[in-house]
Parts: sequence; structure tokens; C-alpha cells
Amino acid sequence: EDQVTQSPEALRLQEGESSSLNCSYTVSGLRGLFWYRQDPGKGPEFLFTLYSAGEEKEKERLKATLTKKESFLHITAPKPEDSATYLCAVQAWSGGYQKVTFGTGTKLQVIP
Amino acid sequence: ETGVTQSPTHLIKTRGQQVTLRCSSQSGHNTVSWYQQALGQGPQFIFQYYREEENGRGNFPPRFSGLQFPNYSSELNVNALELDDSALYLCASSLEGQGNTEAFFGQGTRLTVV
Repeated sequence: EDQVTQSPEALRLQEGESSSLNCSYTVSGLRGLFWYRQDPGKGPEFLFTLYSAGEEKEKERLKATLTKKESFLHITAPKPEDSATYLCAVQAWSGGYQKVTFGTGTKLQVIP
Repeated sequence: ETGVTQSPTHLIKTRGQQVTLRCSSQSGHNTVSWYQQALGQGPQFIFQYYREEENGRGNFPPRFSGLQFPNYSSELNVNALELDDSALYLCASSLEGQGNTEAFFGQGTRLTVV
């Protein structure tokens, strides 16, 4: 069964203090790995899709990387508005069917 | 704004009743997925429809069913509601077949079963 584990569960950073969030996964037939940001009471907001090991993508203060077993979301010099829950998900083929598995998320708090 | 709209935003139902949730996909998108998100948890994949056919399903019982219409809007139906069905229900639309699996989520429907 596909598994996605995110760590840490919660992270508190001072403004400007860079860090990384981890997403480790076990899946066969990977189509893509996704990162989303979710604010309280709202739907997830798409950030990145990574398709193959070695791939990297950047957007403003965020950079996502992918290996065969895990993905990292690096946050450089975070600001308070980066506070949110960051979700990782994998999409895979299983028995001719597609399936998406999310992790439980990392709740990030950036303190001014 | 993602262009994905869900209705209603909030709903209260009694155990044993049936409910229909609706989702209007982003213009041009041919795929819709539905998720259940309990408080403090990640979204759980219910199923996915591509061009009106179900092409993906998670570990949910048959009382969770869906439809995708020719205009690519979608419905999630849940029969025989249970207390544990209380959650935020999310739909996401995407354009499959172009090598791009980027999905855009709606704001969700908060379902409370009493």
C-alpha cells in the first residue's frame, strides 16, 4: 500500500530562519509528487509537481527537490505569510487505476 | 481564486440520510477528484473521474459514489450517512492527457452528521 510520511508534524521558525520539510514515500508506479499549501478552512493551494528523481523546482522562497524515496521542501528566509500547513501527495498507478495519497502535513509557523 | 467552486459550503445532515455535494471544475479541465479531510489530517482520496469515467478510487465503501457530467462538473453522493462522515469534502480539477497533473482545489464543503 502506498505510504506518505511527512516530518516534522509542526515547525516553528523565526522570520528569516531557513529550514526544510521532509516527505518520504513508498509507492509503485509513481506518476508525480505534489506539494500543496493549505491555510485554515481553505482548500489546498498547488505549489509544485515533481516527476522524477533529481528534479528541482523553485517558486519565490520555496524550492522542492525529489529523490527516489523522499522529497524536500526548502524554505529560504521565511516570512510570517508563509505560515500554513504544507501537504505532500503522491499520484500512482495501481491495477489500472490512479490513486492519490496525501501525507498528514507539516504545520509551519513563522514568527516575526 | 482557482476557478473551482463547490456547493454548498456548509451542510448539516442526520445519520442515515443521503447527501449530494457539487463541484464546478475550472474551465477546460477534464478530470475531477474528490477527497475527504478530517480535522488535522491530510486529504483522503475518494475517487477520480476522467471524461465521465471513474479511473481512480481510494479505500471508501460503495455508499460513496460520484458522477461527472459532459460539462465536467461533478457530484459526490454519500448514502446512509454515518457520524464519521463528518469532514471537509474537497474537489480538485485538472487537465489530464497533457503530461501535466497539476490540480486545483475548491474551498470545500463542510459536512456535519448529527
